[in-house]
Amino acid sequence: GNSVTQMEGPVTLSEEAFLTINCTYTATGYPSLFWYVQYPGEGLQLLLKATKADDKGSNKGFEATYRKETTSFHLEKGSVQVSDSAVYFCALISGNQFYFGTGTSLTVIP
Amino acid sequence: DGGITQSPKYLFRKEGQNVTLSCEQNLNHDAMYWYRQDPGQGLRLIYYSQIVNDFQKGDIAEGYSVSREKKESFPLTVTSAQKNPTAFYLCASSAGQGGYEQYFGPGTRLTVT
Repeated sequence: GNSVTQMEGPVTLSEEAFLTINCTYTATGYPSLFWYVQYPGEGLQLLLKATKADDKGSNKGFEATYRKETTSFHLEKGSVQVSDSAVYFCALISGNQFYFGTGTSLTVIP
Repeated sequence: DGGITQSPKYLFRKEGQNVTLSCEQNLNHDAMYWYRQDPGQGLRLIYYSQIVNDFQKGDIAEGYSVSREKKESFPLTVTSAQKNPTAFYLCASSAGQGGYEQYFGPGTRLTVT
């Protein structure tokens, strides 16, 4: 079956630290992969996506590379800001079904 | 300005009452979805619709009902049969099949006492 596994949080970092949030997936076929971000009390916003192996999605300093050999799509940012504090969801779509990870809460302290 | 709207933002109901949550999109998307999110939890799929007048149950459809009479609208009714209805409800839409990303509304927080 299809599934997404994210590293458990919460994650707390100091401003300007390097961020990695791990995401691995199980899927049949060739899924598209996504990272979404949710700020408190809001809906999810698409952060970045990758549709095939070795694609790198990037947005707002975040990036993730679709690694088929390791079935991974880890989210990275070189220097986090307080405004990056949010919950991050990894997701995949296979066929017409979406599968979300459980989310990783990130808090960035000044 | 295209997007998805959900109303109201906060909703309060007494136990035993049905309540309908609104979801409208002007993105001309074929597919629409309803998710439930509990504190500190991920998203769980309640219902989805790939086309007007058709919808399918998701993982936790019991106690919920939907309709899809128009492409733009996908209202969700939380019935009195839903045992734990207090949650954050998110509506989403996508262009359809084939790897299209989902776009989310701002959510409705339902509290039932």
